[in-house]
Amino acid sequence: DAEITQSPRHKITETGRQVTLACHQTWNHNNMFWYRQDLGHGLRLIHYSYGVHDTNKGEVSDGYSVSRSNTEDLPLTLESAASSQTSVYFCASSDSGGSDEQYFGPGTRLTVT
Amino acid sequence: AQSVTQLDSQVPVFEEAPVELRCNYSSSVSVYLFWYVQYPNQGLQLLLKYLSGSTLVESINGFEAEFNKSQTSFHLRKPSVHISDTAEYFCAVTGRSNDYKLSFGAGTTVTVRA
Repeated sequence: DAEITQSPRHKITETGRQVTLACHQTWNHNNMFWYRQDLGHGLRLIHYSYGVHDTNKGEVSDGYSVSRSNTEDLPLTLESAASSQTSVYFCASSDSGGSDEQYFGPGTRLTVT
Repeated sequence: AQSVTQLDSQVPVFEEAPVELRCNYSSSVSVYLFWYVQYPNQGLQLLLKYLSGSTLVESINGFEAEFNKSQTSFHLRKPSVHISDTAEYFCAVTGRSNDYKLSFGAGTTVTVRA
């Protein structure tokens, strides 16, 4: 069965370190998205991609970067982790239409100390 | 750009009682509307969506939502809840264009008590 996976599921890191969160989907979807979930804010879009070599900034992109070298993967990098980036991160993918649902990964809980 | 307001952050409800979760959206263009559910320690799953046609849409597990264009609302209802419906529910909207991004509300936590 097709799926979307994230790794690691839990990560503790120190302020200032670079961290990369992995996202891998086997749906063969063109669209991939990264969100962070914080209490009282719902899900906020960090970065998104509509295809290989395409990346775009979302509403909370400062301090994060992504690259898309193939269809299956969209890794999220925190260049220099800050305590404000402690959050739960979700990756999602969808097919090419705006009416198509997004399929979510299980999430990565990141703690920056 | 689109935005979503979920009017209730927490809704406690007794088992077998009805529940309504309120969602209002703002958009300058026509929209697609979604409700997602998040069970504890899991990712989000699609519950139901409105694309076009009938303004009342239903899910396989008894939830329904009604699109009201004049009130810009998409409220979610279930006539009789179960303990297993305890979860967080998110309303989301996207514009009917080539923009595939979703804008989410802050979420409503539903706690079903016996």
